[in-house]
Amino acid sequence: AQSVTQLGSHVSVSEGALVLLRCNYSSSVPPYLFWYVQYPNQGLQLLLKYTTGATLVKGINGFEAEFKKSETSFHLTKPSAHMSDAAEYFCAVSDPRSGTYKYIFGTGTRLKVLA
Amino acid sequence: GAVVSQHPSWVICKSGTSVKIECRSLDFQATTMFWYRQFPKQSLMLMATSNEGSKATYEQGVEKDKFLINHASLTLSTLTVTSAHPEDSSFYICSARYGTDTQYFGPGTRLTVL
Repeated sequence: AQSVTQLGSHVSVSEGALVLLRCNYSSSVPPYLFWYVQYPNQGLQLLLKYTTGATLVKGINGFEAEFKKSETSFHLTKPSAHMSDAAEYFCAVSDPRSGTYKYIFGTGTRLKVLA
Repeated sequence: GAVVSQHPSWVICKSGTSVKIECRSLDFQATTMFWYRQFPKQSLMLMATSNEGSKATYEQGVEKDKFLINHASLTLSTLTVTSAHPEDSSFYICSARYGTDTQYFGPGTRLTVL
């Protein structure tokens, strides 16, 4: 069975500092991996995804993530945090061979950006 | 592209009444839509998978008769919360499958049952 672990339910960074949000997964098959951002009282917005190909994936708003199969990780990074990055971030995994297209979400990481 | 809307964004109803929430894919056709429930400061819990033209597939523990799902067209899925009670109060979010791998999410509907 697949699972997703997001280490750190709350992360605080200073404006301009590096953002690192951790995501580790468990899957018996190469998964599809996603990062979404959720602002208060809103739905989820896709930041980036990995399906196949290049393991370093660039997304919107300056975020990127690297799929590391050996570490079963898909950590999200951004070189310089901006106040507008404060939000909840969710990592999700799906099994491309299941045919269900269902996601399994991590528990989320709330990012706080300090002025 | 890949925009999903939900209506209403906020609804308050009395206990015992039914509430319908619409989920629409605005610029693409979605054969598969998903309904999630999110409690405050928690992750999303998948309630059911909605497939156009067929019955929804519910996750374990979700009451089919309480949460009625209808996927009447390739752009519209509805969730009806029947005989709502205060414990059904929550944030309901839908998503639509775009292509073979990605879900795009609606803005969510906050349901408050008095």
